[in-house]
Amino acid sequence: GAGVSQSPSNKVTEKGKDVELRCDPISGHTALYWYRQRLGQGLEFLIYFQGNSAPDKSGLPSDRFSAERTGGSVSTLTIQRTQQEDSAVYLCASSLTYYGYTFGSGTRLTVV
Amino acid sequence: TQLLEQSPQFLSIQEGENLTVYCNSSSVFSSLQWYRQEPGEGPVLLVTVVTGGEVKKLKRLTFQFGDARKDSSLHITAAQPGDTGLYLCAGGRGNKLVFGAGTILRVKS
Repeated sequence: GAGVSQSPSNKVTEKGKDVELRCDPISGHTALYWYRQRLGQGLEFLIYFQGNSAPDKSGLPSDRFSAERTGGSVSTLTIQRTQQEDSAVYLCASSLTYYGYTFGSGTRLTVV
Repeated sequence: TQLLEQSPQFLSIQEGENLTVYCNSSSVFSSLQWYRQEPGEGPVLLVTVVTGGEVKKLKRLTFQFGDARKDSSLHITAAQPGDTGLYLCAGGRGNKLVFGAGTILRVKS
């Protein structure tokens, strides 16, 4: 597609439930990133995929968070046993080079 | 503690005024990027600067990277209501970007 597509755009879930967030990057972009943005704060790095290399998971806040990227394209971020502090906007970005990310519109996750 | 400190956090000005947003760190970055984000959307890249002392101009926006590659500034001349948004700076660290908390700019007509 023309841009980075994320779904759903909004998700309300009950505490303790699992959620899956999807990211469809720009075709041909080898790098894919997940960031989290809490209200009034900057973007917090979560995970980075580059081609077929092992992902950089150094930003995942706990073992409840995991992500995969299938076939070097679509990525899914999974949060298990959601907590209220997981409420945030989850942003996905893709890039060809190091010097410019294209972000999706994000998924706004609300845990009630 | 933010690795990149942005100031001010919030700026409300009248149309036609000039403004400067600052992005400071004690760390050196390989590059510095500026993004603009509107409500409900993801950040959109404005510029990337990679050389210490570099200055880039995009119409009414002027971006500068500090000589030591630890800080940057964004200057807007004759601000317009369409400039309203969240401005984020981001520094290159390894394979990823580290973001500042952002500056919320509101330009009133």
